[in-house]
Amino acid sequence: AQKITQTQPGMFVQEKEAVTLDCTYDTSDQSYGLFWYKQPSSGEMIFLIYQGSYDEQNATEGRYSLNFQKARKSANLVISASQLGDSAMYFCAMREGPGFQGAQKLVFGQGTRLTINP
Amino acid sequence: GAVVSQHPSRVICKSGTSVKIECRSLDFQATTMFWYRQFPKQSLMLMATSNEGSKATYEQGVEKDKFLINHASLTLSTLTVTSAHPEDSSFYICSAKNGRVKAFFGQGTRLTVV
Repeated sequence: AQKITQTQPGMFVQEKEAVTLDCTYDTSDQSYGLFWYKQPSSGEMIFLIYQGSYDEQNATEGRYSLNFQKARKSANLVISASQLGDSAMYFCAMREGPGFQGAQKLVFGQGTRLTINP
Repeated sequence: GAVVSQHPSRVICKSGTSVKIECRSLDFQATTMFWYRQFPKQSLMLMATSNEGSKATYEQGVEKDKFLINHASLTLSTLTVTSAHPEDSSFYICSAKNGRVKAFFGQGTRLTVV
């Protein structure tokens, strides 16, 4: 079974609109972390936002916010006021286990290609 | 924030030769680094976990003898693709954790084997 599922292969949004990228996950661990990364055409992976499983509030980082619904195992990324430079691939990823227990590997979803239209 | 540098960013090599890719943590020590592989229009797949001073841990299906990993210091891990073939052409990217929750990625290396 897929541990991270991103159901939107591609999305097209008008500039300045808000956009929500979906991500659902599957884990039996109580402690885990959820990440969103942006990958432009250059290939680098740019960290956007992190949500720990025990965090009570949704994470926010500037224009990015994470809509964390633990019971539904959902961790959607919301980008407010989209910009042309937001066009890229976006990956949702999960780390299983507590973060303080050293480094753990990340499992990635298939990604969503976001295109912002002027 | 923490910086991870990967070199080279692009490399073209002849079939049968070996290629070494370096991953450096520039402003922090990383006892563990990860190597991922990404085929075009696909997601990142973990290849191996690189542990400083010990053997790497490979994911199922990854050939240890083809993808040699060395983590000789707390700031450097290398991935050597040995006897490269065209099917090894891919985007390889490393990541390192600086002791906090975030994993930082290098810029990636696009390998083309001709």
